[in-house]
Amino acid sequence: EDKVVQSPLSLVVHEGDTVTLNCSYEVTNFRSLLWYKQEKKAPTFLFMLTSSGIEKKSGRLSSILDKKELSSILNITATQTGDSAIYLCAVGGNYGGSQGNLIFGKGTKLSVKP
Amino acid sequence: DGGITQSPKYLFRKEGQNVTLSCEQNLNHDAMYWYRQDPGQGLRLIYYSQIVNDFQKGDIAEGYSVSREKKESFPLTVTSAQKNPTAFYLCASCDRGRTGELFFGEGSRLTVL
Repeated sequence: EDKVVQSPLSLVVHEGDTVTLNCSYEVTNFRSLLWYKQEKKAPTFLFMLTSSGIEKKSGRLSSILDKKELSSILNITATQTGDSAIYLCAVGGNYGGSQGNLIFGKGTKLSVKP
Repeated sequence: DGGITQSPKYLFRKEGQNVTLSCEQNLNHDAMYWYRQDPGQGLRLIYYSQIVNDFQKGDIAEGYSVSREKKESFPLTVTSAQKNPTAFYLCASCDRGRTGELFFGEGSRLTVL
C-alpha cells in the first residue's frame, strides 16, 4: 500500500531556531514530492521535487529529495512566529492513469514561540 | 484575481440530510479535486476530475457524489450514506502542465448535528 510518513507529527521551537521536518514515502511509480504549508485553511504550495540531490530554496526554507532513501527533508532556518503552521508532504505517482493525484502525509504541526 | 472559491465556509446539517459544497475556479485548470481533512490526519482524496463530464473515485468516495458539467465547477454532495461526514473539505485544482502543484480553496467545514 502506498504511503507517506512525516515526522515529527508536532514540534515546538523558539524564534531563531532551525528546524528539519522529515518525509518518507513508499509509492508506486514515483513522479514527484511536494511540500505545502497550511496556516489556517488553504494549503499553499512550497516546493516540488523530482530529482534527487538538488536543493530547492525559497528564502529561509529549503528542501531536498533523496530517492535512494525514499525521503525528503524541509529545513527552516531562523524560524519566525509566522512559520507556525502544519507542513504537509505529498507524493505524486501514477495511479490508474491519473498523473495529478497525490498521497498526503499526516503533516507536521510546527509551533514557533516568541 | 484568479483562484478557487468554496462555499459555504461553514455548514451545519442534521443527520439524514444531503448537502452540496460548491467549488468554482477561474484558473482555467483542467483537473479538480476534493479532499477531506480530519484532525491529525492528512488529506484524503474523495473524488477527482481530469476533464469536463468525467470524474473518478478517490480513496474514500463512499457516501459522496460529484458532477463536472463545466470546467470551472466541481460541486461535492455529501449524502446521508456518509457515516461520518463531520470534517473539513478542501477543493483543489491543477494545471495539467504542473502535475501535482495543487491550488486549494479556503475549505468548507461541515458539522453534522
